[in-house]
Amino acid sequence: QVQLAESGGGVVQPGRSLTLSCAASGFTFNNYAMDWVRQAPGQGLEWVAVISYDGSNKYYADSVKGRFTISRDNSKKTLLLQMTSLRVEDTAVYYCVKNSLAVAGHYNWFDSWGQGTLVTVSS
Amino acid sequence: DIQMTQSPSSLSASVGDRVTITCRASQNIGSFLNWYQQKPGKAPRLLIYEASNLQSGVSSGFSGSGSGTDFTLTIISLQAEDLATYYCQQSFSMPHTFGQGTKVEIK
Repeated sequence: QVQLAESGGGVVQPGRSLTLSCAASGFTFNNYAMDWVRQAPGQGLEWVAVISYDGSNKYYADSVKGRFTISRDNSKKTLLLQMTSLRVEDTAVYYCVKNSLAVAGHYNWFDSWGQGTLVTVSS
Repeated sequence: DIQMTQSPSSLSASVGDRVTITCRASQNIGSFLNWYQQKPGKAPRLLIYEASNLQSGVSSGFSGSGSGTDFTLTIISLQAEDLATYYCQQSFSMPHTFGQGTKVEIK
């Protein structure tokens, strides 16, 4: 079955950087787009970024555009999220999510989720 | 961005009750509406995709309907294990926005 295991979360000071990883298994990783979705403590879900199956297309939420970079290594079945210039409002559980489609964009759904990794931005 | 508004924000119902959660989009999104369930302390999981299609492995006690701007998630007969927060999400246009969630509690 599909397994998504996030790692790399922790406590970081405002303005610093952090990189999250997601190890995927149980499906053909290079056939699907992948997303990151986050959830601030006690709050709802916020989509963060998506990358197409081959890494050629990427889209970001306005709240992270220019600060976060999504990437993937299909040979290692790994999804990454590089986060720079972190802000207190970036504090959240970050979920690695499998997209239902290969391309990044419309008309898709999120059919498998990892357990999440907590990022806390605090001085 | 398309705004998604769920109602109610929370509800309390008895085991066996029929429960209805609504989701309204700020513009026409066709049938590109998905529903997720998030149990306390757990990751979300997909229940319904494209408004009315039951995800594999999900109980037939859940159903979805609607198109355009108005959508409904129905729990046909509430079970204790349905205690969770439910989110709608549109995939008609980027960014893919979620509703604020509906917390379902058991009386």
